[in-house]
Amino acid sequence: EDQVTQSPEALRLQEGESSSLNCSYTVSGLRGLFWYRQDPGKGPEFLFTLYSAGEEKEKERLKATLTKKESFLHITAPKPEDSATYLCAVLDSSASKIIFGSGTRLSIRP
Amino acid sequence: ETGVTQTPRHLVMGMTNKKSLKCEQHLGHNAMYWYKQSAKKPLELMFVYNFKEQTENNSVPSRFSPECPNSSHLFLHLHTLQPEDSALYLCASSQDRQEQYFGPGTRLTVT
Repeated sequence: EDQVTQSPEALRLQEGESSSLNCSYTVSGLRGLFWYRQDPGKGPEFLFTLYSAGEEKEKERLKATLTKKESFLHITAPKPEDSATYLCAVLDSSASKIIFGSGTRLSIRP
Repeated sequence: ETGVTQTPRHLVMGMTNKKSLKCEQHLGHNAMYWYKQSAKKPLELMFVYNFKEQTENNSVPSRFSPECPNSSHLFLHLHTLQPEDSALYLCASSQDRQEQYFGPGTRLTVT
């Protein structure tokens, strides 16, 4: 069964404390893996698309990486404004099915 | 207006009411989506439209009825809902099933 699992469910960090969020997936062929950020009461905001193992994308303090079974979202020296829920989604090779994970709630303390 | 807009942002309705949610995308995309987001649950894909044609209906109860009159507009008609239908309803659009751009959502409360 196709599945996307994100861990941890919640993560609390001190400002400046770097860490990584994990998204593991099982899907019948990967067309693309997407990362989104969602603030409370708002729609998800698109961050990155990764297409193949070994690919990396960066934006400010965030870097997303991809292997054949999982993706990591690395957060370097986070700030309180990075607090949000981070969602991962995968699109299967036929582009017929998109599956979202449950997300990781990230909280950065000043 | 830019991106994806949704109206209303908040809606309270009784179980016997009929209401509609509206979504408009200003991105020139060819696919539009309705999602339901409940607390502590993954996003649930409800409906997908490609070039105005419905291509997915993920076992959604008939009390939810989508309408896509053109590639820029999407509606979700609501009728005799249940309290468990209370959630954040999100609209999104994409080009060729690639990354999706979401609207701000409609917070629905069914009393």
